[in-house]
This record gives sequence, structure tokens and C-alpha cells, in this order.
Amino acid sequence: GENVEQHPSTLSVQEGDSAVIKCTYSDSASNYFPWYKQELGKRPQLIIDIRSNVGEKKDQRIAVTLNKTAKHFSLHITETQPEDSAVYFCAANQGGKLIFGQGTELSVKP
Amino acid sequence: DTAVSQTPKYLVTQMGNDKSIKCEQNLGHDTMYWYKQDSKKFLKIMFSYNNKELIINETVPNRFSPKSPDKAHLNLHINSLELGDSAVYFCASSYGTSGRTGELFFGEGSRLTVL
Repeated sequence: GENVEQHPSTLSVQEGDSAVIKCTYSDSASNYFPWYKQELGKRPQLIIDIRSNVGEKKDQRIAVTLNKTAKHFSLHITETQPEDSAVYFCAANQGGKLIFGQGTELSVKP
Repeated sequence: DTAVSQTPKYLVTQMGNDKSIKCEQNLGHDTMYWYKQDSKKFLKIMFSYNNKELIINETVPNRFSPKSPDKAHLNLHINSLELGDSAVYFCASSYGTSGRTGELFFGEGSRLTVL
């Protein structure tokens, strides 16, 4: 069935540390994997995405890795800052739609 | 300029009432969506329209009826509201369907509270 599992559900790090969020998906036909950030009371916004023809993509302090064989992908945030605190959602396209993971609430403590 | 706008932002109503949420996008996208975000933050797709045609209809009670008068507008009407309908409803749009590689642009959300 359509399923995107995301872990952990909550993550607390000290400012300057790295944060890693992991997701697995079930549909081997999935080929698009975006990550969305949702600040408190705001809308989800795309921060980075990766397509199945690459294994890694980086944009300043954030990077995403994809392992198609294992059907998992991860978000890496380095040198975390308090403004990184938010809920992060992974997603994968399955059955013609975007299926979201359950979300990870990241808290960066100054 | 607001890309995806939805109204109202807040809606408080009694059980059994009927209410509507409106959404408009000025991005020129051809696909629009309704997502429901419950108290646990889970984002679940409800409906999707491509060029005014319904293409995704998840297992949603038929009390929920979407309507797309044109590709820039997608409204959601809810009949006989129940307590479990309380959630934040997000409208979104994309160029092409999100099942391919289209980035979703979300509206600000409409927080519905059913008393």
C-alpha cells in the first residue's frame, strides 16, 4: 500500500549540532522525494527535493540522500540554528500523488 | 502577492452546520489540492483537481464536496459538520500533478473548529 514512514517523530539538538531525519517508502516506482518545512502556525514549504536519478543533493546547510535499493532517503541539517526549529515532512510520489511522512518536530536549543 | 490564498483563515462552528472554504491561486498552475492536517500534524491528501477535473478522491466522507469552477479556484464544502472534522485544511497547487515532480505550493491554511 501507499506508505511513507518517517523517524524520529521528535528531535532535540543543541545549536551547532547536526540533525538527521530518515524516511522509508514502499512503492519502488516512486521517483520524486521532496522535503517540506512547516514553522509553527505557518504553511508547509519546500526546502529541498531529490529525484531518483541522483543519490545526493546539497543546498548550503541542508542535504538529502537517497538509497533506491533500500527505499529510504534522509535529510541532513548541519550547523543547526534556532530558526531551523520546525516540523519537517518527507514525501514520496506514489500512485500519482504525493504521500507525506508523519512529520518530525525539530527543536534547536540555543 | 499571495500565490495561494484561502478563506476564511479561522472557522468556528457548531456540529451539524454546513460550511465552505475557498481557495484561489495566481501561479498559473493547472492542478489544485485539498489536504487535511489533524492535531498530530499528519498531512493527508483529500482531493486533487487537474484543469477542473477531479483526479484524486481519497477515502473521504461524501459530506465533503470539492468544486473547481476554473483551474485557478478550488472550493471545499462540508455538510453536517462533525467534531472529527476539526483540523487545519490546506489548499495547494502545482504545475503538473504532484505525482510527477511538481512542487506543491500551500495556502496559509484554514483552521476549522467544530464545537
